[in-house]
Amino acid sequence: EIVLTQSPGTLSLSPGEGATLSCRASQSVSDNYLAWYQQKPGQAPRLLIYNAVSRATGIPDRFSGSGSGTDFTLTISRLEPEDFADYYCQRYGTSAPRYSFGQGTRLEIK
Amino acid sequence: QVHLQESGPGLVKTSGTLSLTCTVSGDSVSSNWWSWVRQPPKKGLEWIGEIYHSGTTYCDPSLKSRVTISVDKSKNQFSLILTSVTAADTAVYYCARHLGIARTRGFDIWGQGTMVTVSS
Repeated sequence: EIVLTQSPGTLSLSPGEGATLSCRASQSVSDNYLAWYQQKPGQAPRLLIYNAVSRATGIPDRFSGSGSGTDFTLTISRLEPEDFADYYCQRYGTSAPRYSFGQGTRLEIK
Repeated sequence: QVHLQESGPGLVKTSGTLSLTCTVSGDSVSSNWWSWVRQPPKKGLEWIGEIYHSGTTYCDPSLKSRVTISVDKSKNQFSLILTSVTAADTAVYYCARHLGIARTRGFDIWGQGTMVTVSS
């Protein structure tokens, strides 16, 4: 089973700064089938990035994804107040379990 | 506009059966794959399982013996049954649509979630 480990657990930054969130897989992620989600308190997750680098519909270009194999990064340039939330990475694979999530990174206002 | 809505009891007795339904509007359950995801209080997201309109399902191995996912095309709904529940199954349960038929792009539409508490 592939385990996703996100770091840091909590990231404290100020609006206007840039954020770098990491997601490391215990084994290579097939074809870079990795997604990133944003979740605010009391809300459902929102898809930000899929296939490691593709922005979902309606996602601002300050969000970008990169990486391949076992190391993936979500970068948020110029943090806006609405960007402070929890972020999760998720992988898809053909072996069970087909989907798994990282434990999350909390992005909080400094 | 695509909308997903979870429904079902908010309280289930320990050792009982959790039963939830996701009603899809603005899309057809025959168009895509669909998943159930849960989130225990103050914890992360857990994938439960997925279904295609043909009835093909895949579930997380840790839950497989207790989970049944089904689809009702006539009602444009899909459902989750989880048996022998314990307090560890207390969570917000979400239904979600897969982005694209390939199932490799994550989940682009989510329901608002429904809190299910397991208690004796």
